[in-house]
Amino acid sequence: EAQVTQNPRYLITVTGKKLTVTCSQNMNHEYMSWYRQDPGLGLRQIYYSMNVEVTDKGDVPEGYKVSRKEKRNFPLILESPSPNQTSLYFCASSLRAAVKQFFGPGTRLTVL
Amino acid sequence: QKEVEQNSGPLSVPEGAIASLNCTYSDRGSQSFFWYRQYSGKSPELIMSIYSNGDKEDGRFTAQLNKASQYVSLLIRDSQPSDSATYLCAVNGGERAGKSTFGDGTTLTVKP
Repeated sequence: EAQVTQNPRYLITVTGKKLTVTCSQNMNHEYMSWYRQDPGLGLRQIYYSMNVEVTDKGDVPEGYKVSRKEKRNFPLILESPSPNQTSLYFCASSLRAAVKQFFGPGTRLTVL
Repeated sequence: QKEVEQNSGPLSVPEGAIASLNCTYSDRGSQSFFWYRQYSGKSPELIMSIYSNGDKEDGRFTAQLNKASQYVSLLIRDSQPSDSATYLCAVNGGERAGKSTFGDGTTLTVKP
């Protein structure tokens, strides 16, 4: 089944404890992206990747890192999480940039 | 000014009516436009994509694009209670090809 998977789905952590949210797609998509969604707001793009080893900042990259070493994986790294990073995170992928995106199920992160 | 603005909602229509959702964008170079539907607690899923001026119809859904006015809309005919969701307008492919910008969403309720 074609899909985007994210892990973990739920995470409660404490300020400053490094964490990684994994994202994987099995559709051989070139483009992958991370978003965060906060109440009353749409999706805000954190980082995106046009292809392996090609990443760029979105609108809200501060406090996040990404890497794209393999086509199928695009992990999101929070090296020192803070409470303002409490949010719902979505990973998405698409065949290439600027076409329809397929979204993962979301990761709900709480930073205490 | 926000890069992508949607009518604020919430929008409530009776079953069988036409629901009209609107979106304006600021980047004149934008190339592709999408409407995603998001049920509460779920990930966004694509409803319509549109790339050129005019109308595009798919079943009960019609997307309209006017690049000169920087305006894109979604009409839902014969609205059903199952259409009750938040609708997100997304704009891609402007100055930075990989950038994907979403509006804050419009919540639609269809009353039986």
